Amino acid sequence: EAQVTQNPRYLITVTGKKLTVTCSQNMNHEYMSWYRQDPGLGLRQIYYSMNVEVTDKGDVPEGYKVSRKEKRNFPLILESPSPNQTSLYFCASSLSRTDSSYNSPLHFGNGTRLTVT
Amino acid sequence: AQSVTQLGSHVSVSEGALVLLRCNYSSSVPPYLFWYVQYPNQGLQLLLKYTSAATLVKGINGFEAEFKKSETSFHLTKPSAHMSDAAEYFCAVSEGDSSYKLIFGSGTRLLVRP
Repeated sequence: EAQVTQNPRYLITVTGKKLTVTCSQNMNHEYMSWYRQDPGLGLRQIYYSMNVEVTDKGDVPEGYKVSRKEKRNFPLILESPSPNQTSLYFCASSLSRTDSSYNSPLHFGNGTRLTVT
Repeated sequence: AQSVTQLGSHVSVSEGALVLLRCNYSSSVPPYLFWYVQYPNQGLQLLLKYTSAATLVKGINGFEAEFKKSETSFHLTKPSAHMSDAAEYFCAVSEGDSSYKLIFGSGTRLLVRP
């Protein structure tokens, strides 16, 4: 089954304790992206990756890191989490974001609810 | 710069009534427009997309949306609401010509009353 898999689904941690949220897709998609969803703000892009070893900042990258060493994986790293990073996080992927397949839809994971105390 | 405004954070309708969820966009070039739906505890799923072909776009589950350039709108409609339509709906815009980002609206939660 084609899917985007995020782990864990729920995570409670304390300020400053490094954590990683994993994201994996089995559709051979080039493009992957991380979003955070907060009430009244919709989804805001954190980082995205056009392909392996190609990553770039989205709208709210502060406090986050990503890597894209393999096509299928795109982990989100919080080196020193803070309470303002408490949010619902989504990983998404699509075939490509180049002009030729511009309207390829995003496929989303089921989300990771992170609480930082 | 592109942006999306969804009017109404919550919309409540009776089962069988018309669903109308509003979306207005701002874009300096012809946009690509999308509606996504999020069911509880799930990620977002694509409902429909506009990519400069027909202005009336039909999506899944009986939803459709009409692109109106003069009004910069892309409202989502469904003639008859079903209980299973209760979810949060997001409008998103992306500009053509090598733009890699989708900009999402703040979302509208649809409540369907029995």
